[in-house]
Amino acid sequence: DTAVSQTPKYLVTQMGNDKSIKCEQNLGHDTMYWYKQDSKKFLKIMFSYNNKELIINETVPNRFSPKSPDKAHLNLHINSLELGDSAVYFCASSQVSGSSADTQYFGPGTRLTVL
Amino acid sequence: AQSVTQPDIHITVSEGASLELRCNYSYGATPYLFWYVQSPGQGLQLLLKYFSGDTLVQGIKGFEAEFKRSQSSFNLRKPSVHWSDAAEYFCAVDAYSGAGSYQLTFGKGTKLSVIP
Repeated sequence: DTAVSQTPKYLVTQMGNDKSIKCEQNLGHDTMYWYKQDSKKFLKIMFSYNNKELIINETVPNRFSPKSPDKAHLNLHINSLELGDSAVYFCASSQVSGSSADTQYFGPGTRLTVL
Repeated sequence: AQSVTQPDIHITVSEGASLELRCNYSYGATPYLFWYVQSPGQGLQLLLKYFSGDTLVQGIKGFEAEFKRSQSSFNLRKPSVHWSDAAEYFCAVDAYSGAGSYQLTFGKGTKLSVIP
């Protein structure tokens, strides 16, 4: 059984388009995250949600909007895509934010290419 | 703010040789430390973690890491490397980020190549 899943795995699109990436976890976790991994493999957190509420919102352009319909899902919508948005986006989940002893479990990633 | 440094960008070892990947962290309180591995085209898999207690922690795939508070280090080791260990390795620290939440901060990764 897949613990954290993301769709699509690959996404190729033109500049200016709007796209969404979906994430689902079946671990029963309360907290979900989005990370961006750039071309140099550097991983940086973008957002985290706890029980559908936004907790962490790093310096990310307003074009990025996370949506959490329920605690098992955290989708990432990106408006007006730019070349610099090309990256691999990882979703992750953990049990409860607020306890530093949480292990985050990662999805397989979505490789976004903006042409 | 917390930070993680992995001084080695790329390491090459022969199969069967021992391995040590370095990780140094900067954090004002007791850190919670992790090592993740990313195989090509894959997501991140947890190798091991340190929360408290014994400073030598064992992980999956024969890996271990030792927490040394005095050196602010959490180096990853394996006594005998297998070709399948070739991957990117990330050290991370889970630290308090305010508003009752914690944040995972990653190092820039060390790419491991294994010579048959």
